[in-house]
Order: sequence, then C-alpha cells, then structure tokens
Amino acid sequence: DAKTTQPPSMDCAEGRAANLPCNHSTISGNEYVYWYRQIHSQGPQYIIHGLKNNETNEMASLIITEDRKSSTLILPHATLRDTAVYYCIAYFGNEKLTFGTGTRLTIIP
Amino acid sequence: GAVVSQHPSWVICKSGTSVKIECRSLDFQATTMFWYRQFPKQSLMLMATSNEGSKATYEQGVEKDKFLINHASLTLSTLTVTSAHPEDSSFYICSARPLRGGNEKLFFGSGTQLSVL
Repeated sequence: DAKTTQPPSMDCAEGRAANLPCNHSTISGNEYVYWYRQIHSQGPQYIIHGLKNNETNEMASLIITEDRKSSTLILPHATLRDTAVYYCIAYFGNEKLTFGTGTRLTIIP
Repeated sequence: GAVVSQHPSWVICKSGTSVKIECRSLDFQATTMFWYRQFPKQSLMLMATSNEGSKATYEQGVEKDKFLINHASLTLSTLTVTSAHPEDSSFYICSARPLRGGNEKLFFGSGTQLSVL
C-alpha cells in the first residue's frame, strides 16, 4: 500500500461541509484511493473510492488531484452521526488492506 | 449491500481459556478474509490473511499458534484465541473480499470485544 498522510483531528460544525484531506504522494498507477470510516466500537464502513476521476455517491464526494498525489473527502452536510475516524487508504484491491492513523472528525452541534 | 456478520459481539473469558470468533459473509462468497485487532485509541492492525482452503498468512509478530485461523468455506472464517491472557484483550475485526475479483472493496464485520480476566 502507498503511505498516506492525514491530519490527526478535525472539527466541523453540524450542517456544514466537512473536507478531509489526504496526501498519497507515492501512490502507484494502479492503486485506488479508498475512504473508510469507523464509528466508535464498530467495524469500518466503506465510504467511497476512486482512481483518477472525481467520484460522488450518496454518502460523500471524492476529489482527486490531477497528479493523484492527494485527495479530499467531502461530506456535504455533516451531521452528528458523521463523528468518526476517517481512514484514507491507497491500495490495489487484490492486496491486503492496512490502515494508517486516520483523521478523527468531530461534528460540533 | 454486502454484509459480513461477526459473532460474538463481545466475550468475557477467564485467563487460560480459548475463544472462537466467527466471521461470515452473508450474501457473497469470499476467497480472502482478513483479521485485525485494535487497541483503544489506536488504528486497526492487520493480524493475518485468511484464504479459503489454505493456511493463513500471518503478519510479522503475530503468533500463529496463539491465533488460529480457519477458513473452511467461501463464507466462513474463524479466529481462535488460544490460552487467552489479559494482554489479548482487544477489539477484533474481520473483513471479507468478494470473490468477484479485480479491485473490490472490503466489507467489515462489526467487531468482537474480547476481555480476558
């Protein structure tokens, strides 16, 4: 897996967009960018993934820079239930998936 | 969406006993399952990769005789913590990769909190 770097923690006001950055400057050409989140005492939950193009689903949007060295996960209207640790992982899907330290996102009422 | 069921959710056992944790993919087949452990306020640490019909591959520093993994079918993998001690107390999480192949996301179980007294 390519190493990823994320800020250890972030706060976001409820109802606002939460933008979580991730650096993956050593990502290789066939590695995707995956985002998972883990709410306290639960298993990780898949959010979104992408290779080169920006992606959007019902949970979030993923913006990947043209050089693929960084990306941003966007939660458009954060709610209190979005408080979790968010993990950005760069890997190719037939490999083992290892987790970094992630970003602890706190949504503030 | 795909569901991975992990059982039990929590278990308390006496030191020296063995504990078995089950991980089932409910609506898909998985040739590969992964086992993680997580200590409080830390990230998930990969313990081993479980392949159906073959021996598991353990990460460096993980004792294979301590953490027995069996992947007997395409929908079930088990982790047995043998002769558990208090330092084995942790949150254990499994994940499964669908058989479809290619770039497939992993699906995770809800985790098992093990407390060894």
